[in-house]
Amino acid sequence: EAGVTQSPTHLIKTRGQQATLRCSPISGHTSVYWYQQALGLGLQFLLWYDEGEERNRGNFPPRFSGRQFPNYSSELNVNALELEDSALYLCASSPRLAGVSYNEQFFGPGTRLTVL
Amino acid sequence: AQKVTQAQTEISVVEKEDVTLDCVYETRDTTYYLFWYKQPPSGELVFLIRRNSFDEQNEISGRYSWNFQKSTSSFNFTITASQVVDSAVYFCALSEDYGQNFVFGPGTRLSVLP
Repeated sequence: EAGVTQSPTHLIKTRGQQATLRCSPISGHTSVYWYQQALGLGLQFLLWYDEGEERNRGNFPPRFSGRQFPNYSSELNVNALELEDSALYLCASSPRLAGVSYNEQFFGPGTRLTVL
Repeated sequence: AQKVTQAQTEISVVEKEDVTLDCVYETRDTTYYLFWYKQPPSGELVFLIRRNSFDEQNEISGRYSWNFQKSTSSFNFTITASQVVDSAVYFCALSEDYGQNFVFGPGTRLSVLP
């Protein structure tokens, strides 16, 4: 079974540009989570999508946005890039099973975004 | 509000030593889930264990063991006879209900020296 995949592996942008990161969840998983892991700051929750809807977002400005497509893949967009947006962006997926309130998240390898 | 504390920022041990990584959590929910993840130098997080709040049994998996104590809100992780391949950052995490509030601790960087 294929795991969570993310593209691109590395992305280099300049300040003010826009970045688009992509994530494909494990087959059968309907929930996708995005996290930012900046150097020395640990994992910060960004966004949670389930069944095509944004269910929750972390404490990030509106220039961080995304969407989930009908096939449950997801895109994270970061507008007006700032230097401090440089980080590893991790995507995770989990299944949603009726009657089960939580399942573990399976993580992708991440996209390393560098803003110059 | 949820919170996960991993007081040990970095730990160094020599191969074959036992090491315990501490995790203390805060939550107001009676139903919650605790997790440990490993992040090796490659960067990809690897799921290690999930525990729900109703199951306080300790668990052992090979050289890994977990001690869940609700009385002290702790979910500690012990590696027995550590190996160099155990070198990684280990994250403890907490989720209340359906994953909408999934909080990671700051992580503990474990270095196992040969």
